[in-house]
Amino acid sequence: SQQGEEDPQALSIQEGENATMNCSYKTSINNLQWYRQNSGRGLVHLILIRSNEREKHSGRLRVTLDTSKKSSSLLITASRAADTASYFCATDRISNFGNEKLTFGTGTRLTIIP
Amino acid sequence: KAGVTQTPRYLIKTRGQQVTLSCSPISGHRSVSWYQQTPGQGLQFLFEYFSETQRNKGNFPGRFSGRQFSNSRSEMNVSTLELGDSALYLCASSSGIAGVYGLRDEQFFGPGTRLTVL
Repeated sequence: SQQGEEDPQALSIQEGENATMNCSYKTSINNLQWYRQNSGRGLVHLILIRSNEREKHSGRLRVTLDTSKKSSSLLITASRAADTASYFCATDRISNFGNEKLTFGTGTRLTIIP
Repeated sequence: KAGVTQTPRYLIKTRGQQVTLSCSPISGHRSVSWYQQTPGQGLQFLFEYFSETQRNKGNFPGRFSGRQFSNSRSEMNVSTLELGDSALYLCASSSGIAGVYGLRDEQFFGPGTRLTVL
């Protein structure tokens, strides 16, 4: 079953606009990550935010995390056609053995209109 | 550094057959995880191997199995294929040791194997 639900399921915006995607999850986490997937290919890691962090930036990406609401958002500023992809959030809890499995959200399909 | 490679990229099988998928992790990585992606269920964790040992397992039937070799390459096997096994199977590699220090390894994903069961 999915840990996270993403909202919206699909988003279409004009090139140059900002895109915001939200992720909600159910259980306590150690880290939350965002991934991008182009046309059913492999996933590309975008950004990781730890449970004790509230905001993180990477280039045109801004991620926020609210552990009290069990939610995160991904903001892509000044969108480009190349940003067209599906975006997934993934959560994990780390055990003594090492990395716990990643549990993915349902994804947001982002389409940038040139 | 070469990325994660998966073979084959595409596979067509019929119900009842079995299939073996292969994953070669990034050089130096000791952890390999497998995920199944379908339109209905999304991305779901299958299992993780570290130094030839299964360290974590998802909620899949026993028809799904895997193994890891001493060179960290991993295979997963699905026996008695069902139509519902049609999916994109993704492999991810990481160093696998960051968890010992309470950190998170970045997982690097391969391009996937698209399995179609007819």
